[in-house]
Formats: sequence, structure tokens, C-alpha cells
Amino acid sequence: EAGVVQSPRYKIIEKKQPVAFWCNPISGHNTLYWYRQNLGQGPELLIRYENEEAVDDSQLPKDRFSAERLKGVDSTLKIQPAELGDSAVYLCASSGYSGTSTYNEQFFGPGTRLTVL
Amino acid sequence: AQSVTQLDSHVSVSEGTPVLLRCNYSSSYSPSLFWYVQHPNKGLQLLLKYTSAATLVKGINGFEAEFKKSETSFHLTKPSAHMSDAAEYFCVVSYSGGYQKVTFGTGTKLQVIP
Repeated sequence: EAGVVQSPRYKIIEKKQPVAFWCNPISGHNTLYWYRQNLGQGPELLIRYENEEAVDDSQLPKDRFSAERLKGVDSTLKIQPAELGDSAVYLCASSGYSGTSTYNEQFFGPGTRLTVL
Repeated sequence: AQSVTQLDSHVSVSEGTPVLLRCNYSSSYSPSLFWYVQHPNKGLQLLLKYTSAATLVKGINGFEAEFKKSETSFHLTKPSAHMSDAAEYFCVVSYSGGYQKVTFGTGTKLQVIP
């Protein structure tokens, strides 16, 4: 099966600029996650979707971050304006009943490495 | 509430010797537990998972982990380290009920010395 697709893989922007990341989950996966991974640390959940509904966005800095998953398939994460501290890898993952995978096993995309100058 | 603690931030072993990466968890519910590996500049890959079936779980690349409820542990082991095992390893806890709450550990960096 095709994996989780993320784009772009790398992004370099000036602070105060906007940036957007895109994720296409594995076909049929109803749960989609966005994580942020700072250098040398584990991923931290930003937001989790069940279909179109954001069911856990408690860790999303809502003053500058937004996300959407309009049709319950692909998703976009946006930062506006970006700050120096937003430099990190942004990971997308999906899970769900699909073939032989079990329900809460997450499959990760390659991530987008964001550098804010 | 749930949490996961990886007791060692760095582990260094010689090639051909056993690997032990420690993980303890806390969960109010019956947990699902996972180990993921992340090689430099690559995505997270699932090594193995425990979801309330056999307590000894075998994964890819010769890794295995044992779920010990009494010790709230899920340590990752491998009998003989290979150079290609050098990577960062994450222990993850999730509970399989309703909406899934997933918590990652802080990671253990494994160094394999030739």
C-alpha cells in the first residue's frame, strides 16, 4: 500500500512569513495526526483528526497555527506568522482499519523540515 | 492520564553484543504499546507493537519486547547489535478505546561501536 505522503520535504522561510504543509494519509485511514518534532526530542502531538473532526487540538498553538481536513482525506497545517522557535520537523501520521493494519498503529510520513531564519 | 518514560537518553553497545532499551509506562486504561525507530533524516518506522495479545512481541530486524504489567514496563531487546541498528528509538503508549490518545517517549539514541 502507498504510504503517507507529505510535501514539501524541506522549507526555509524568514520569520513572520506564512508557511503551509500538506499531508495525504494512507487510503482508508480515518485518523490523521500532525506532530512537531524538535531536534533531539520525541514527536509531540499538535492535532488529531477523526475524519473531518479535530478531536484533540489541545497542544496546537491556536494564535498562529491552524489545520484543516475538509473532506476527511488530506490535510493542511499552516503557521502564520512563523517564529524562530517553529523550526522543527513536522510529521503527519495516519491510522485506521486498512488491510492487515490494526486500529491504532500509526504510519508516519517522511516529515517536513522547517527552518525559520 | 498516561505517560511513557524512556530511562536512557543514550545507549552505547559494541557490535554483536545485546541491546536493552528501557521503557516504563503509565496508563489508566489497557494500553497499546509500540516501539518506533528513526534513522537519521528518515521517517519513523514501526518496530513492533503490543495490543493485549501475547506479552512477548517479536518485531522486525530481530528486535523483541516483553510487556510486563506488574512492572509497567515494555523494554526493547535484541540479542546481537548490528551497525545498522544505530538510530533513535521511541517508546509509544496508546489506549485502545474511543479516540486514541498517543504519547511518545523522549527517545533513546542507540550507538553501535564496531
